[in-house]
Amino acid sequence: QKEVEQNSGPLSVPEGAIASLNCTYSDRVSQSFFWYRQYSGKSPELIMSIYSNGDKEDGRFTAQLNKASQYVSLLIRDSQPSDSATYLCAVNNFNKFYFGSGTKLNVKP
Amino acid sequence: EPEVTQTPSHQVTQMGQEVILRCVPISNHLYFYWYRQILGQKVEFLVSFYNNEISEKSEIFDDQFSVERPDGSNFTLKIRSTKLEDSAMYFCASSGAVAYEQYFGPGTRLTVT
Repeated sequence: QKEVEQNSGPLSVPEGAIASLNCTYSDRVSQSFFWYRQYSGKSPELIMSIYSNGDKEDGRFTAQLNKASQYVSLLIRDSQPSDSATYLCAVNNFNKFYFGSGTKLNVKP
Repeated sequence: EPEVTQTPSHQVTQMGQEVILRCVPISNHLYFYWYRQILGQKVEFLVSFYNNEISEKSEIFDDQFSVERPDGSNFTLKIRSTKLEDSAMYFCASSGAVAYEQYFGPGTRLTVT
């Protein structure tokens, strides 16, 4: 069973702070990794993808991948109340995709 | 900005009936997917589709499910004989040249009574 694990939260941070979201995956052969944001009652919205070890930055978002530790993270800098949502980690294994249950983020004004 | 569209937004059906959920992927995308999300649970992969055939499918995607790309724009998911446990939100997604970066449609909420 290929698992993607996330802390369900909620993670509460004040506005302007850095939010750190974490994800671990069980299958070492996983090739690519994604972060999605899902507002309540809405569909997942792609934030970032990452394929190789290290950091990848896009605006206020930084994804980090450590394949040896089977660990993916997402940092959100200068968090805004509009960032309050559930963040989903997804992993690709040979064109099959596995999602975590998501971490609920609350950004307090 | 191009987007994935899905119809209907909500479908109510009786147990044992067939339903077809429709999706229009982003026009230049090559890979198409169906997912489901039971209320309060995780997004679950059903099937991926490329070059007019199924690329991969999950254990959920059994013989009661089928997918089709009947023309150059639509991508459909058929559930032949619905069960109560098929009640869920069904999402279509597509991805293009940046492999596997998927863009999701708004979903179809399927309610089986």
